[in-house]
Amino acid sequence: GQQLNQSPQSMFIQEGEDVSMNCTSSSIFNTWLWYKQEPGEGPVLLIALYKAGELTSNGRLTAQFGITRKDSFLNISASIPSDVGIYFCAGQNEGSGGGADGLTFGKGTHLIIQP
Amino acid sequence: ETGVTQSPTHLIKTRGQQVTLRCSSQSGHNTVSWYQQALGQGPQFIFQYYREEENGRGNFPPRFSGLQFPNYSSELNVNALELDDSALYLCASSSGGRLYGYTFGSGTRLTVV
Repeated sequence: GQQLNQSPQSMFIQEGEDVSMNCTSSSIFNTWLWYKQEPGEGPVLLIALYKAGELTSNGRLTAQFGITRKDSFLNISASIPSDVGIYFCAGQNEGSGGGADGLTFGKGTHLIIQP
Repeated sequence: ETGVTQSPTHLIKTRGQQVTLRCSSQSGHNTVSWYQQALGQGPQFIFQYYREEENGRGNFPPRFSGLQFPNYSSELNVNALELDDSALYLCASSSGGRLYGYTFGSGTRLTVV
């Protein structure tokens, strides 16, 4: 099945550093979402973006919806140990029945924080 | 608290067998979708149900089927299990309409031997 192109695949950073990851697609999405998944858990929604060009923050997290509607990025400022996990981007369009289609996910960015 | 509960948490089945995975969504969440997450990959969309009818399907064969019940619970059934079906199966629910992101359960880890 289709997966979005997400990079980098993994990041090894020091506590306190800023983090940036992005996601690209060959097709347009009307909604971009960013999720975080920790071991043994399902993905948890971090930020949802609904308009091209939209920039949205959630605490230390900031995400943008690309103007082409084919990309998005997520930034994390001043990383802390609890930021460790796998971050997934996901795109979504409206379905033919007026509701929403299923999510198309990237392969994830594995964030590791070194002491 | 996610509000979405999946059972069982782990399951081992033999190739060729059939399996049923269960999900209990939050009250009022009339949209439920199922995803397959292989090791090291992002979740892949299997299908979605809205008010007990399938209204979207990903690239999965017909041996993957589902049901949604009026009490906000749902099932994923997989027939004729193959080794490649080994994965984490995630259920996600939403109140529908313009979505504000699905709420995911913790998943069922299925191993096919």
